[in-house]
Amino acid sequence: GESVGLHLPTLSVQEGDNSIINCAYSNSASDYFIWYKQESGKGPQFIIDIRSNMDKRQGQRVTVLLNKTVKHLSLQIAATQPGDSAVYFCAENQGSQGNLIFGKGTKLSVKP
Amino acid sequence: EAGVVQSPRYKIIEKKQPVAFWCNPISGHNTLYWYLQNLGQGPELLIRYENEEAVDDSQLPKDRFSAERLKGVDSTLKIQPAELGDSAVYLCASSLRGADTGELFFGEGSRLTVL
Repeated sequence: GESVGLHLPTLSVQEGDNSIINCAYSNSASDYFIWYKQESGKGPQFIIDIRSNMDKRQGQRVTVLLNKTVKHLSLQIAATQPGDSAVYFCAENQGSQGNLIFGKGTKLSVKP
Repeated sequence: EAGVVQSPRYKIIEKKQPVAFWCNPISGHNTLYWYLQNLGQGPELLIRYENEEAVDDSQLPKDRFSAERLKGVDSTLKIQPAELGDSAVYLCASSLRGADTGELFFGEGSRLTVL
């Protein structure tokens, strides 16, 4: 089976609320993780990344948390906006540069 | 800076016909990838090039799929003959080896429908 997966296939939030998207991975050797956002009809777009020697990284309105103990990754989006509506994928690099393994994705819907 | 360019955006063919997709990566990016994305799924790697060399094609169904990157820039992915199950989006991505991040830059994809 896939080594990267998501707990919830869909997530609906109210505009202005914070969103949390979760991801589980199974390969403890993975040392690099990326979150991508994919809008309908477009290719995946980089959001934020984190290396395994970190447990938290912040960007603009986004934070990624990495818990290596339980092999869990999360993406937090602050003050979610309608433009955040998309499918979000986590991806892991299993030691070979660029060979990202993607999970199935979580669809985020933002209600006005 | 221009992004990854793919063509065609959409292609509809009948089964057993051939089809080809073209990708122009970001200028200077030496690594190029072809991914397959089925509806509702995450992208799956088909092949990865470092310059003109295919360094990972373990997931490419070689009986019907082929790819080339002759001059280490543009790439073409071909399917011959196409089957119904090949209906999907074919994504091309590029990256710069040795960059600070492992970020892949994706094109908008070529959506294939096989009838």
